[in-house]
Amino acid sequence: NAGVTQTPKFRVLKTGQSMTLLCAQDMNHEYMYWYRQDPGMGLRLIHYSVGEGTTAKGEVPDGYNVSRLKKQNFLLGLESAAPSQTSVYFCASSYLGSNQPQHFGDGTRLSIL
Amino acid sequence: RKEVEQDPGPFNVPEGATVAFNCTYSNSASQSFFWYRQDCRKEPKLLMSVYSSGNEDGRFTAQLNRASQYISLLIRDSKLSDSATYLCVVIGGATNKLIFGTGTLLAVQP
Repeated sequence: NAGVTQTPKFRVLKTGQSMTLLCAQDMNHEYMYWYRQDPGMGLRLIHYSVGEGTTAKGEVPDGYNVSRLKKQNFLLGLESAAPSQTSVYFCASSYLGSNQPQHFGDGTRLSIL
Repeated sequence: RKEVEQDPGPFNVPEGATVAFNCTYSNSASQSFFWYRQDCRKEPKLLMSVYSSGNEDGRFTAQLNRASQYISLLIRDSKLSDSATYLCVVIGGATNKLIFGTGTLLAVQP
C-alpha cells in the first residue's frame, strides 16, 4: 500500500528559485495537510485542505501556496525560495476531520542556498 | 508559553526499564490527544490515541489529566526498538487543528 507519497525526497534550490512539492494519497482521504519541521520547533502547519478545490492557511503560510485540484493530490509551491524555508516538509492526510489520526508521507528535505 | 510542551530529553534508559513522558497543554478546551512516534529522519507515525479513562496497548499506557492539563505515556519493559522521538499531539480548542509538541527523545541502551 502506497499511503501518502511525497516527491521529490530531496532538493537543493538557490534563493529566488521556485518549485512545487507533490503529495499524493491513495486512501480516499478528504483532509490533507502540509507541515514543516525544524529543529526545536516541532511540526508546524503551513496549509491544509478539507476537500477537493478547497484550501486554507495554517500556522505559517507566508511564502507558500497550495492547490488541491484533485482529491488525491495536494501541491505545495514556493514561488521565490528563501533560506528560511530550508526545512523538512511533511504531507499528511486524514479520513474526515482534523481530529482524526493523520497519515504522513516520508518527507521532503529542502535546502535553500 | 507554548501550546504544547514536552521535555526534549534525551531519556537514556537501559533495556527492560520503565520510562514515562509527560506533556502539558495550555488550552483547556482541547478535546483530542495523541502520541506519535518519529524515528530519526523518518515521518511521524501514530502510536496511540489518548482517552479520558486512560488506555493501554501492550507495553504502552497513555493517560490524560484534564484538571492539570497534561497527558502521559508510560513504556514498560523498554526495547532497543523503542528508541525514537515521541511527539505529543493535541487538538486545539478553537482551531480544531493538530498541535505538535517538539518531542521527547528516548534512547534505550543495551
